[in-house]
Amino acid sequence: AQSVTQPDIHITVSEGASLELRCNYSYGATPYLFWYVQSPGQGLQLLLKYFSGDTLVQGIKGFEAEFKRSQSSFNLRKPSVHWSDAAEYFCAVGAVNNNDMRFGAGTRLTVKP
Amino acid sequence: DARVTQTPRHKVTEMGQEVTMRCQPILGHNTVFWYRQTMMQGLELLAYFRNRAPLDDSGMPKDRFSAEMPDATLATLKIQPSEPRDSAVYFCASGSQGAEKLFFGSGTQLSVL
Repeated sequence: AQSVTQPDIHITVSEGASLELRCNYSYGATPYLFWYVQSPGQGLQLLLKYFSGDTLVQGIKGFEAEFKRSQSSFNLRKPSVHWSDAAEYFCAVGAVNNNDMRFGAGTRLTVKP
Repeated sequence: DARVTQTPRHKVTEMGQEVTMRCQPILGHNTVFWYRQTMMQGLELLAYFRNRAPLDDSGMPKDRFSAEMPDATLATLKIQPSEPRDSAVYFCASGSQGAEKLFFGSGTQLSVL
């Protein structure tokens, strides 16, 4: 069965600084990979996804992620963080047809002024 | 805008009471998921349905939890009897089989005293 690990429970960065959130997965076949963001009191919003093709994927709000098969990683990056990016970020791995999507435990991002 | 609707948004109850959470998936979506989010466990998959049939409920404590879809427009998650350790935010999500995106509700925040 697939699984997802987000090694960092909590990250604090200064506004304007760059950001990288780590995600490692375990899956027997080519995974479908996702990053979701959860703002306080809200449901999850899809930031970006990877199915196939170009391993560098662009998402909404200036986020990007790179799929590295050799490292089983799908790290999320943003060159310059805004205060509104403070939220909980979840990495997820899914199978075909969304039959079984697994989420990481989440990384909480705090943005300092 | 089509969206997943969860009710209630907040629920406070006493240990031993029955709790029922409801979810209205987006019209036309045939896959429904229930997730539980806690600080300790992160996001856990409890159950998912396709075409109203339960495909996997292995993440759900069977002795007290039950999930059903009485019809295509309603999914329910019931806890009886509830315990303090059930306190969490419960998310419902829906999707279309073969599509890559899940749509999440805003969650039900459950507090069991």
